[in-house]
Amino acid sequence: DAGVIQSPRHEVTEMGQEVTLRCKPISGHNSLFWYRQTMMRGLELLIYFNNNVPIDDSGMPEDRFSAKMPNASFSTLKIQPSEPRDSAVYFCASIGLADTQYFGPGTRLTVL
Amino acid sequence: KQEVTQIPAALSVPEGENLVLNCSFTDSAIYNLQWFRQDPGKGLTSLLLIQSSQREQTSGRLNASLDKSSGRSTLYIAASQPGDSATYLCASPLGRSQGNLIFGKGTKLSVKP
Repeated sequence: DAGVIQSPRHEVTEMGQEVTLRCKPISGHNSLFWYRQTMMRGLELLIYFNNNVPIDDSGMPEDRFSAKMPNASFSTLKIQPSEPRDSAVYFCASIGLADTQYFGPGTRLTVL
Repeated sequence: KQEVTQIPAALSVPEGENLVLNCSFTDSAIYNLQWFRQDPGKGLTSLLLIQSSQREQTSGRLNASLDKSSGRSTLYIAASQPGDSATYLCASPLGRSQGNLIFGKGTKLSVKP
């Protein structure tokens, strides 16, 4: 299996622009997670889905952030409008029947 | 509310040394505890997962222990190698769901040849 796939790997955009991050979980995994990692705050869960349904979005910082999972093999995290403080590495992870989470390589977002 | 702490933030050791990384958590009613490795610019790789009913797990030169009563977990690395250099993070779920993993901020390990 190719593991969790994220795109793009790097994104540089200007403040106010819309940013869309993409994730393809491991085939057969039924839960998907979006995390954000910064030096100051470490790794934080933004939202997670179980069987394509959002279960906990309490980590989503504000209404500018939204996430969707239209099917079992694809999810998006959208920021609109983006701000410089959104600059971070965004990780997607998935989990199957076992408890171990498998992480993607991350998307490094820079908002100028 | 579960809080996870890792001390020290950074550690440098000579090659061949045995070492212990520490992880503390505030809620002893944990579901499990996981140790991850993160290389620079990369995602996280799961190393070991200890269920709440277990006391330790081993994989190769790695051994992770769990002491719920004291709120501590340790990751023991035997005969360290330069390739072990990375940031090591521990994490525990909030409650019994795997949904919300609470991470420590990690210990950055450097193994000098």
